[in-house]
Amino acid sequence: QVQLQESGPGLVKPSETLSLTCAVSGYSISSGYYWGWIRQPPGKGLEWIGSIYHSGSTYYNPSLKSRVTISVDTSKNQFSLKLSSVTAADTAVYYCARYLRSPSPVYDAFDIWGQGTMVTVSS
Amino acid sequence: SSELTQDPAVSVALGQTVRITCQGDSLRSYYASWYQQKPGQAPVLVIYGKNNRPSGIPDRFSGSSSGNTASLTITGAQAEDEADYYCNSRDSSGNLVVFGGGTKLTVL
Repeated sequence: QVQLQESGPGLVKPSETLSLTCAVSGYSISSGYYWGWIRQPPGKGLEWIGSIYHSGSTYYNPSLKSRVTISVDTSKNQFSLKLSSVTAADTAVYYCARYLRSPSPVYDAFDIWGQGTMVTVSS
Repeated sequence: SSELTQDPAVSVALGQTVRITCQGDSLRSYYASWYQQKPGQAPVLVIYGKNNRPSGIPDRFSGSSSGNTASLTITGAQAEDEADYYCNSRDSSGNLVVFGGGTKLTVL
């Protein structure tokens, strides 16, 4: 079955860049679907960070756009997140997910999620 | 701030029916999807599109939409349905993803 697994440092210093990778198994990224990153600060709700298609086209949350880069590596069947100039406000569980971006009817459905990885921003 | 608004908390008696709502102008044009999240776990998709359930989701979960409001209905709520529920859809531009703030469901 399709599985997603996040990996990366659990602790990042303020002003540095947070880097996470999502390895996909059981499905080829090149076959379709969009792939996204979502985060959840402790005790708070879900926040969409951004999404990428296997072709490389991206969509970003406007509130994070200036600091976010999402890329895809089809040869390794994985996609990645980079968030620069982090502060304590970026402390959260970061999830990667596969999602269907339906053009008609219009909806987005994140159907497969990774288990999430906690990232703490602290010196 | 989220473009999708949810009640922070809702409660339901065991076996009764509960409706969880999600409001936003974009819902007049786009469908919502719904996720269940239990403590310490990743969200799980329960409803998407007009009223579609992924494989393995009980048929007591259903979705509907009217005007600027999308609803998730649980008919005959079970103890295991106690969780946080989130809606998501597009923003008003139709290009970007937004999540509601979430609703904590308590089953009494």
